[in-house]
Amino acid sequence: AQSVTQLGSHVSVSEGALVLLRCNYSSSVPPYLFWYVQYPNQGLQLLLKYTSAATLVKGINGFEAEFKKSETSFHLTKPSAHMSDAAEYFCAVSGSDSWGKFQFGAGTQVVVTP
Amino acid sequence: EAQVTQNPRYLITVTGKKLTVTCSQNMNHEYMSWYRQDPGLGLRQIYYSMNVEVTDKGDVPEGYKVSRKEKRNFPLILESPSPNQTSLYFCASSFQLAASYEQYFGPGTRLTVT
Repeated sequence: AQSVTQLGSHVSVSEGALVLLRCNYSSSVPPYLFWYVQYPNQGLQLLLKYTSAATLVKGINGFEAEFKKSETSFHLTKPSAHMSDAAEYFCAVSGSDSWGKFQFGAGTQVVVTP
Repeated sequence: EAQVTQNPRYLITVTGKKLTVTCSQNMNHEYMSWYRQDPGLGLRQIYYSMNVEVTDKGDVPEGYKVSRKEKRNFPLILESPSPNQTSLYFCASSFQLAASYEQYFGPGTRLTVT
């Protein structure tokens, strides 16, 4: 079985400050990991994904995430927050032994203050 | 324009009255999936389909049915809706390439069952 835990349901950052969103996973097989963003009243949009290639993954809008197998983590970062980054962020996992089955974290709401 | 469409976008119904939420994609994706989103729980997968006539249960399939008779359509059926199925529903689709699963999400359907 696989699962995802996102630490912190709400994160407040100042404009220009580092954004760090935490995601830990559990999986008995090599996982595929994803970060999605959801803007108000919209569907989800893929930010980036890890599929067993490079452990440091770069995504859209300046976000990146690092896969750390020893820590079972896939934290999302952005060096400098922008007001447009205010949204809800979801980490998701799919296992190489369960094609098509996904588990999402509970989400982290990001608020950006001027 | 490549997109996933859902209808209706908003629906208020009563307990026990059968309903169908339609989902259609124009990207020739093999994979389609349904999720429900509830506060504090993130997205939970209801059903998914790897291709025409191939469907499988996600984590919360009880009370739902699906069918995949055509590649582009993946309707979600609630035979006898109950208030605990009040939720925001998302359909998603992707190519079924190895380790890809870059899911494209629809705009969501907000369902209220009274």
